[in-house]
Amino acid sequence: EVQLVESGGGLVQPGGSLRLSCVASGFTFNTYWMTWVRQAPGKGLEWVGNIKEDGSDKYYVDSVKGRFTISRDNAKNSLYLQMNSLRAEDTAVYYCVRDQGWFAFDFWGQGTVVTVSS
Amino acid sequence: QSALTQPPSASGSPGQSVAISCTGTSSDVGAYNYVSWYQQHPGKAPKLIIYEVTKRPSGVPDRFSGSKSGNTASLTVSGLQAEDEADYYCTSYAGSSVFGTGTKVTVL
Repeated sequence: EVQLVESGGGLVQPGGSLRLSCVASGFTFNTYWMTWVRQAPGKGLEWVGNIKEDGSDKYYVDSVKGRFTISRDNAKNSLYLQMNSLRAEDTAVYYCVRDQGWFAFDFWGQGTVVTVSS
Repeated sequence: QSALTQPPSASGSPGQSVAISCTGTSSDVGAYNYVSWYQQHPGKAPKLIIYEVTKRPSGVPDRFSGSKSGNTASLTVSGLQAEDEADYYCTSYAGSSVFGTGTKVTVL
């Protein structure tokens, strides 16, 4: 059974940092692109960024470029999202997502809540 | 990338059909056959229901179908059931990925 379990969310002040983690199981992690998607309270889904199977390529939505970094450790079946210089508008549920190919997101974690507030 | 445009809401009675549009541009929806649709119930993670415009993942009822014409993709839910009441999002490959604005489907 495919499972994606996120952790690391919480309350952080504007300008602060947070690192989200996602542990994958039930599939061969190093053969899939992985993606982070977020959803602000009461709002729609937003693609945050993704990372290639071997970690060599990464892409981000413009609003997080230079502030967020996606990485992965295939030996630990883990995906990460390092978030720096956080803003109120980064407040959202962050989902770890598997890409089955061509941006078809077939498995989602339960999400972890990030709140940026003073 | 701008979000793809979906109607905010759609509704139908049990057994009826409802269609949801997803309008993009010639750079995303119109350029690639990589449109996906997701169903999200309140408080839950989204679920993939259509990929590559028309394909259904294993376990998704054939009441759900997808199509595309030009820069607009569509999701049709036939034989509406109470459990189909949810938010629906489209997404398209566009170099990166962009989601639609979302449509709330109400079963009357």
